[in-house]
Amino acid sequence: DTGVSQDPRHKITKRGQNVTFRCDPISEHNRLYWYRQTLGQGPEFLTYFQNEAQLEKSRLLSDRFSAERPKGSFSTLEIQRTEQGDSAMYLCASSLMGSVGGYTFGSGTRLTVV
Amino acid sequence: DQQVKQNSPSLSVQEGRISILNCDYTNSMFDYFLWYKKYPAEGPTFLISISSIKDKNEDGRFTVFLNKSAKHLSLHIVPSQPGDSAVYFCAASNGGAQKLVFGQGTRLTINP
Repeated sequence: DTGVSQDPRHKITKRGQNVTFRCDPISEHNRLYWYRQTLGQGPEFLTYFQNEAQLEKSRLLSDRFSAERPKGSFSTLEIQRTEQGDSAMYLCASSLMGSVGGYTFGSGTRLTVV
Repeated sequence: DQQVKQNSPSLSVQEGRISILNCDYTNSMFDYFLWYKKYPAEGPTFLISISSIKDKNEDGRFTVFLNKSAKHLSLHIVPSQPGDSAVYFCAASNGGAQKLVFGQGTRLTINP
């Protein structure tokens, strides 16, 4: 399977706990994106990487959120001190710089904060 | 500030007929537009795109139309098939397909 992989698929956590999600992009893709989707809304941009460099962060990404892509391959998204408002689907996508087609998305990690 | 809007949350169409999904945008800097399809428990799948230098792009049963003066795009699916039942998102970007701004989505149901 050469698609975008996200782990875990589901995560239930108590308010105040830290969580970390992982994304493995398509291997030859040098760009990686994180989006968040809440019920009834479209995906909202959080951040993106080109290779290991984080090039843009949304204002949605508060200080409690941090993303890394240490070797330009997989990426992690960490949320510290989770709040109920963080409950959402977290989507990762990847693409090749210069490609005119859309991203390839993973199936997402559904986070529920109780 | 919803820069990309899909005003119809749902649409129901009979199999074999044409499905038309609409999308409006407000940011005149957008120069690239895309449609994604999403099935439950899966991530969105890229369907078709159009650059602002064109007004139409066709791929099989799918055609996207762009009206820049009205800041409006539409996706036509003809003929509609049961497997087309999904949520459809339009998205827009400037400077190429980097950061995308998505609409809220339209749930399309194709009835046999």
